[in-house]
Amino acid sequence: NAGVTQTPKFRILKIGQSMTLQCTQDMNHNYMYWYRQDPGMGLKLIYYSVGAGITDKGEVPNGYNVSRSTTEDFPLRLELAAPSQTSVYFCASSYGGSSYGYTFGSGTRLTVV
Amino acid sequence: AQTVTQSQPEMSVQEAETVTLSCTYDTSESDYYLFWYKQPPSRQMILVIRQEAYKQQNATENRFSVNFQKAAKSFSLKISDSQLGDAAMYFCAYISGVNSGYALNFGKGTSLLVTP
Repeated sequence: NAGVTQTPKFRILKIGQSMTLQCTQDMNHNYMYWYRQDPGMGLKLIYYSVGAGITDKGEVPNGYNVSRSTTEDFPLRLELAAPSQTSVYFCASSYGGSSYGYTFGSGTRLTVV
Repeated sequence: AQTVTQSQPEMSVQEAETVTLSCTYDTSESDYYLFWYKQPPSRQMILVIRQEAYKQQNATENRFSVNFQKAAKSFSLKISDSQLGDAAMYFCAYISGVNSGYALNFGKGTSLLVTP
């Protein structure tokens, strides 16, 4: 009954470093998403995937990359971290279709200093 | 592009009272879904209630109900008999269509304070 698992929960990066935020789901959902949440703001879509091997950009994709080699995993890669990427990152999954809500992970708080 | 607007950054309600959180949205689609999510300090995103646009009847989930006005593109959340545990950020969200991967579009949120 794990749902969507995100790791790590917290991370501090130095400017210019790279890292991968991990996301895995065990519900056999086809659709997966990465969002970022800045203070006082709603969630903004970074990337999404409609199935293994298929990804597409969301509203704020710059500075990030994703891959989807399996149904379960959808890692988010930050290259050359910048202070503007300080945020809380959420991974989510869904069966797809407008009627389904999402299952969210618990989030990763990332600070770039 | 679809937009979701929550005009109340903060709201306050006394325990056991009723509060209404406002949300408006903009879309050219005729069939869609709307959601309210709750985010407590734990950061977890919790689905509160959802509304199907083609249904006239307003959705209800225990103490939570919506007032859905399709023509006005308004989707407000009413919380009755407010409890201390209702204190959280509340986000209104609209789900886009298949061309956008059924992505959720969120408003900026309303912070709800519940006072004893």
